[in-house]
Amino acid sequence: QSALTQPPSASGSPGQSVTISCTGTSSDVGGYNYVSWYQQHPGKAPKLMIYEVSKRPSGVPDRFSGSKSGNTASLTVSGLQAEDEADYYCSSYGGSNNWGVFGTGTKVTVL
Amino acid sequence: EVHLLESGGGLVQPGGSLRLSCAASGFTFSSNSMAWVRQAPGKGLEWVSSISSTGAYIYYAGSVKGRFTISRDNSKNTLFLQMNSLGADDTAVYYCATIHSGYYFDFWGQGALVTVSS
Repeated sequence: QSALTQPPSASGSPGQSVTISCTGTSSDVGGYNYVSWYQQHPGKAPKLMIYEVSKRPSGVPDRFSGSKSGNTASLTVSGLQAEDEADYYCSSYGGSNNWGVFGTGTKVTVL
Repeated sequence: EVHLLESGGGLVQPGGSLRLSCAASGFTFSSNSMAWVRQAPGKGLEWVSSISSTGAYIYYAGSVKGRFTISRDNSKNTLFLQMNSLGADDTAVYYCATIHSGYYFDFWGQGALVTVSS
């Protein structure tokens, strides 16, 4: 089971946008529309931000959006705010032999 | 409001065993699949195991298969993780989480720290 590949870091100034990629294979990201994204602040539990590639749970600002093309999914945070500074992880269903694989994580810094 | 509370973490010697529990409230536990996800200090998230609502379907990550056992007691709204043959690589915060039908983790507990050290 290999982790999905994310860039280690991303940054942007307040009000700008940042996009994080999440690259897998045809057996996980590319094979299912079950990509989700999680935000984690230091010392806190992860929080679901996006599910099924592009859907937002109730309460998540519409500044957060998701998409997928082939084996790569993306999370875009528009109109960056200070509270968006956190670690972000993607995840994908990968079949019964690789049920839940996470990405390597991306630290987003608001400059 | 969904509430998940992990317990049972602590310090254990290499080769030892530990059993984690996750007490659930605020939702119909018996209708939800559940999972354990762990995070080693300073590292990323790693899915550990999942169990269906009735316990009929169980999945493990390769790194814990044969050593860890996930189970649940729907009469007590509690999820368990029995961990045997623990090694230093198992040191992590262990989170329990609810699984939505769309294969994502929608609610998380605050985590239980497991430290494997002599």
